[in-house]
Amino acid sequence: SQQGEEDPQALSIQEGENATMNCSYKTSINNLQWYRQNSGRGLVHLILIRSNEREKHSGRLRVTLDTSKKSSSLLITASRAADTASYFCATQNTGGFKTIFGAGTRLFVKA
Amino acid sequence: KAGVTQTPRYLIKTRGQQVTLSCSPISGHRSVSWYQQTPGQGLQFLFEYFSETQRNKGNFPGRFSGRQFSNSRSEMNVSTLELGDSALYLCASSSGLTSGKQETQYFGPGTRLLVL
Repeated sequence: SQQGEEDPQALSIQEGENATMNCSYKTSINNLQWYRQNSGRGLVHLILIRSNEREKHSGRLRVTLDTSKKSSSLLITASRAADTASYFCATQNTGGFKTIFGAGTRLFVKA
Repeated sequence: KAGVTQTPRYLIKTRGQQVTLSCSPISGHRSVSWYQQTPGQGLQFLFEYFSETQRNKGNFPGRFSGRQFSNSRSEMNVSTLELGDSALYLCASSSGLTSGKQETQYFGPGTRLLVL
């Protein structure tokens, strides 16, 4: 089964609104990453948060990590139509090189 | 730096055939990972190669195999194709040097395989 589970599965918002996506995982991790994928193309790395970090920012992105709850959230502020994409969280168990992706959240930003 | 490239971008095969997909990592990267993406199963890890050795493997049947060359380019092969192998196959490269700790992977555009 997938290590990471995102929710919601799909999200539709208006341009300018904020979008929040959540990811839960099952085992101990080294760190967690978020990726974006446009229309079945390759994934683009957005941000990596280490297991000893609680929050990280990158431009309009804010990621939080709660290792006690085994969960992470990705916040996109002031969304744009160009943010329309699928967003995936990815984790790697401690000691391994296998990266496990969640099922993804499909975000649709209406202009 | 040039990004990760994958060839071919699209491929149509029939059941029972075999297929070879190619991935060229970012210059200097020594780790290449392969993933299969389908609507039903999402993104699933196939295997990872580092310095010509398979370092980790997902839960796929032996019909799925790969290799890595001395220049870090990688190929994956699927033999005896089944309809369910239709998918987007993505490869990702990273430096591979962080000894067990996750690092940023850079993905190629993928090869879309259709099995008829």
